[in-house]
Amino acid sequence: QVQLQESGPGLVKPSETLSLTCTVSGGSVSSDNFLWSWIRQPPGEGLEWIGYIYYTGTTNYKSSLKSRVTMSLDTSNNQFSLRLSSVTTADTAIYYCARFTRTGIMRSDYWGQGTLVTVSS
Amino acid sequence: DIQMTQSPSSLFASVGDRVTITCRASQSIINYLNWYQHHPGKAPKLLIYAASILQSGVPSRFSGSGSGTDFTLTITTLQPEDCATYFCQQTYSTQTFGQGTKVEIK
Repeated sequence: QVQLQESGPGLVKPSETLSLTCTVSGGSVSSDNFLWSWIRQPPGEGLEWIGYIYYTGTTNYKSSLKSRVTMSLDTSNNQFSLRLSSVTTADTAIYYCARFTRTGIMRSDYWGQGTLVTVSS
Repeated sequence: DIQMTQSPSSLFASVGDRVTITCRASQSIINYLNWYQHHPGKAPKLLIYAASILQSGVPSRFSGSGSGTDFTLTITTLQPEDCATYFCQQTYSTQTFGQGTKVEIK
C-alpha cells in the first residue's frame, strides 16, 4: 500500500522560506510512471496545484508561483521536497503531497493527509 | 488556466438517497476529469478517473459521467460513511480543481 506523509515546520515567518518534505512508502520516487506533486488549500478556498517533479529531476511549476518554488528528489530516502521562498500570509494553507500517475488519463492516485503551514510573525 | 465550477457547494441528503454533484469546465477537457472524496484530516481518495472509470476498491454506488465541459458524480444510495467533501480535478492542461461539495446527512 502506497503511503505519503508530509513533514516540516507548521509556522514560518513572513519573507522566509517554507520547506516541506514528503516521505513515500510502498512505492519508489525513482519510478518512471509517476510525477510527484505538491498541492495546497488556503483556509476557506479551493485546492491549488503548485507543481510536480519527475524521477529525472524535471520539474513543472504553476506559472504564478514559479519564481518562488523549488522542488527536489532524494532517492536514497525515497522523499521529495518543496521550498517556497519569500512567503507571505497568502501562503498560509494545508499543503498536500501526492503521487500523480502519468499513464493514461493523469490522476493523483495517492495523497498525504496534509500539513498546515501558517505564515505569521 | 482552465476554471472548474462545481455545484452545489454543499447539500444535505438522507441515507439511501441518490446524490448528484456537477462540475463544469471553462473549456473542453474531453474526459480528463477525476473525482475525489475527502474526509477532514485524512488523505483525499481517488474515486473516479477519466470521467467514468471507477478506481479499484471504490464501491459501485459511485459513478461518473460526462465529456467535454459537463461532468457528473453520482452516489446512487447514500451511506453514512459518504459524508465528506467531494471535488473534481481536470488534468487536460496542468491541473485545476473544483471548489468542492460538502455532503452531509439530514
